[in-house]
Amino acid sequence: QSALTQPRSVSGSPGQSVTISCTGTSSDVGGYNFISWHQQHPGKAPKLMIHDVNKRPSGVPDRFSGSKSGNTASLTISGLQAEDEADYYCCSYAGTYTWVFGGGTKLTVL
Amino acid sequence: EAQLVESGGGLVQPGRSLRLSCAASGFNFDDYGMHWVRQVPGKGLEWVSGINWNSASVGYADSVKGRFTISRDNTKNSLYLQMSSLRPEDTALYFCTRTPFGDYLFDYWGQGTLVSVSS
Repeated sequence: QSALTQPRSVSGSPGQSVTISCTGTSSDVGGYNFISWHQQHPGKAPKLMIHDVNKRPSGVPDRFSGSKSGNTASLTISGLQAEDEADYYCCSYAGTYTWVFGGGTKLTVL
Repeated sequence: EAQLVESGGGLVQPGRSLRLSCAASGFNFDDYGMHWVRQVPGKGLEWVSGINWNSASVGYADSVKGRFTISRDNTKNSLYLQMSSLRPEDTALYFCTRTPFGDYLFDYWGQGTLVSVSS
């Protein structure tokens, strides 16, 4: 149960696109299409942004999209807005009713 | 509207025990698996433990296996985490979150309860 690997930080200017990667193993990211992404603003509870690799819950802007290739999942945010500045965490099902999170990525909107 | 309210956190000495609770309201509790996720202040999220709707499936992170026990009472719409042999590294904000039946995602989170393990 090792944490998934995410870059510590990414940044982009308003209107630009950024991609956050999330690398695991064949036992988690590569083995299941149950990848989710959560956004967390300082002092707040996490919020689900993407689930099942590329599905958006109701109310999440279509600027947020997800994908997966092999053992690596990715979150892309296009048309960056100031309110997108937050921490982002990937999460994968890892079998036998266990889950694993990534270490988190701090997104800075320049 | 769904609500998850955690309670039971506090300051506890290493080696002692503590029981966290999560009170659910605004949704059909039986339709969801429930989980505990923790976060050391300023650090990342760590999945701790989960239990499915009828308690038939239970899972634990290696870091807490053998020390923590998750349970639920569907008649009281409540989730619990019994923590024993607590260590300083268990100090964190503990969130309660839910998984819809048949899904593998956390779609709603509580605000958390803070556990501090220190002598």
